[in-house]
Amino acid sequence: NAGVTQTPKFQVLKTGQSMTLQCAQDMNHNSMYWYRQDPGMGLRLIYYSASEGTTDKGEVPNGYNVSRLNKREFSLRLESAAPSQTSVYFCASRSITDRRRLNEQFFGPGTRLTVL
Amino acid sequence: KQEVTQIPAALSVPEGENLVLNCSFTDSAIYNLQWFRQDPGKGLTSLLLIQSSQREQTSGRLNASLDKSSGRSTLYIAASQPGDSATYLCAVSGSNYQLIWGAGTKLIIKP
Repeated sequence: NAGVTQTPKFQVLKTGQSMTLQCAQDMNHNSMYWYRQDPGMGLRLIYYSASEGTTDKGEVPNGYNVSRLNKREFSLRLESAAPSQTSVYFCASRSITDRRRLNEQFFGPGTRLTVL
Repeated sequence: KQEVTQIPAALSVPEGENLVLNCSFTDSAIYNLQWFRQDPGKGLTSLLLIQSSQREQTSGRLNASLDKSSGRSTLYIAASQPGDSATYLCAVSGSNYQLIWGAGTKLIIKP
């Protein structure tokens, strides 16, 4: 049971390049989230997927797209990377069935992205 | 719009002391509140989850309280150890269970 996994762990891009961050969870969670964390700030929500087949914008969606490929996987795509997107990206999933940890979010290890 | 504030931004205490970290939020209509630990360059570890109907949760030397009416939560750490040094983040869950985060308290425990 790996929990939430993210790939890659590190990435360096040049301005204008594109890439996809991958996230997968094996806990049978319905809801998944993408956050970014900038230095000295709390995390901010980029996009979320309340259930398979649905996606919605969060607080800072500009410059990103997402795909909920299936119940396990939720990917984040940067079509044309900009230096302002240099950040640490975290994927999370939410439990709705475990009564002891109802609606708790579980996080992946993060992807550290630098855009030059 | 929900805002979450954590004070102080940094705290340094000698080993063995009991300490309290504070988290305040502006909108009391929350579903739950989570406390996380983040080590430098690492991911997020969930420490405690308090549902909106609960007043407190305990795990080992950690105790978190929630007062929705006043918009406050505290994380109490007993008998602090150098291994407790990390950044502690609180987050409240709003509509669609999106987490709204504080900026964190960086804790240093001096041996």
